[in-house]
Amino acid sequence: GEDVEQSLFLSVREGDSSVINCTYTDSSSTYLYWYKQEPGAGLQLLTYIFSNMDMKQDQRLTVLLNKKDKHLSLRIADTQTGDSAIYFCAESNKAAGNKLTFGGGTRVLVKP
Amino acid sequence: DAMVIQNPRYQVTQFGKPVTLSCSQTLNHNVMYWYQQKSSQAPKLLFHYYDKDFNNEADTPDNFQSRRPNTSFCFLDIRSPGLGDAAMYLCATSREPWTGGWQQPQHFGDGTRLSIL
Repeated sequence: GEDVEQSLFLSVREGDSSVINCTYTDSSSTYLYWYKQEPGAGLQLLTYIFSNMDMKQDQRLTVLLNKKDKHLSLRIADTQTGDSAIYFCAESNKAAGNKLTFGGGTRVLVKP
Repeated sequence: DAMVIQNPRYQVTQFGKPVTLSCSQTLNHNVMYWYQQKSSQAPKLLFHYYDKDFNNEADTPDNFQSRRPNTSFCFLDIRSPGLGDAAMYLCATSREPWTGGWQQPQHFGDGTRLSIL
């Protein structure tokens, strides 16, 4: 079945850029998502990318997709303490309807 | 202007005592989902409603049921909660998948954290 993998933890200094990586196995993945989860809260949709795109930029967020290597990354520019959270990568494809397959999440800690 | 609202935020129940969690939405979305998220894990889909059509995941225990009386509300019923059911329960909604040829993203509520005594 589908599998989505993420590194567990990332520590970054305030003001630096953060890069969170994700790999997936399903070559029919059509949409790839990044969600942010702050402590005790639900998932906030940050951005998503369609599989025929290589890059998507939205303010401080840049998503890069390497479809050949099935690798997705989220870059956060000028990381702030409010960016400390768990970030989930998720994928879906048309055959699965709207079902999301999540990675295990990357905990990002921003140090002042 | 919360769009997916879950009540309560925290729920405590006793082992074996039925409990109901609620979700409402102001987005008029066709699809409503319930996820279970245990500590330090990814959310796990339990089931979803596509309008009134209920879709259960194959590995969702029979102990978990759901009701959707109208478009705006959806309930998660746990008939006999066990200690292993302590988790965060997340509700999400989306428009009809693949509307206009584009997949519709899921929008999540803030969750209900369920504790079992």
